[in-house]
Amino acid sequence: AQKITQTQPGMFVQEKEAVTLDCTYDTSDPSYGLFWYKQPSSGEMIFLIYQGSYDQQNATEGRYSLNFQKARKSANLVISASQLGDSAMYFCAMRPLNFNKFYFGSGTKLNVKP
Amino acid sequence: DVKVTQSSRYLVKRTGEKVFLECVQDMDHENMFWYRQDPGLGLRLIYFSYDVKMTEKGDIPEGYSVSREKKERFSLILESASTNQTSMYLCASSQSLGRWTEAFFGQGTRLTVV
Repeated sequence: AQKITQTQPGMFVQEKEAVTLDCTYDTSDPSYGLFWYKQPSSGEMIFLIYQGSYDQQNATEGRYSLNFQKARKSANLVISASQLGDSAMYFCAMRPLNFNKFYFGSGTKLNVKP
Repeated sequence: DVKVTQSSRYLVKRTGEKVFLECVQDMDHENMFWYRQDPGLGLRLIYFSYDVKMTEKGDIPEGYSVSREKKERFSLILESASTNQTSMYLCASSQSLGRWTEAFFGQGTRLTVV
């Protein structure tokens, strides 16, 4: 069975500080991709970052980095230097190689305080 | 600019009505998905399609059906709308198996069944 767990329903962070959003996953497929999406209050889903299960280095995209620990089956999103515009829902997702589907977690609502 | 377009942003329908949600993508993607988003539950897969006329049930297909007659269009049908189908519906598309690209999402349809 494929499962994504996000244990933080809501988080607060001070503007300009770094924040880590947790994500753990479960899959029997040896090859998979991990994705993070941002959903502002307007509703659209914005792709942020991707990590492949065989990638040796952690992925980075600007202020976003993915702390990938394969043995622990975790793929935490780190946002550096938080901005007010980072306030949104964040979803972790996984796509196993041999499945057509993306599996999503329940999301974390991040609030950035000025 | 790649696009997934959902036919309506907001819909209000009456209990028992047949409801059609339309989704069109312009990226020539093989895969298309319908998700339902509810607070605390994340995104749950209703149906997906991996080719024209090829569809499979997701995790919560009860009360829904789908149609994919053309590659670019994927329709979600609520056969007889009920109040428990009030939700946010998200359409997405992606490239086929083995390619590590993200899913692209439409802007979402907020459906209210009264």
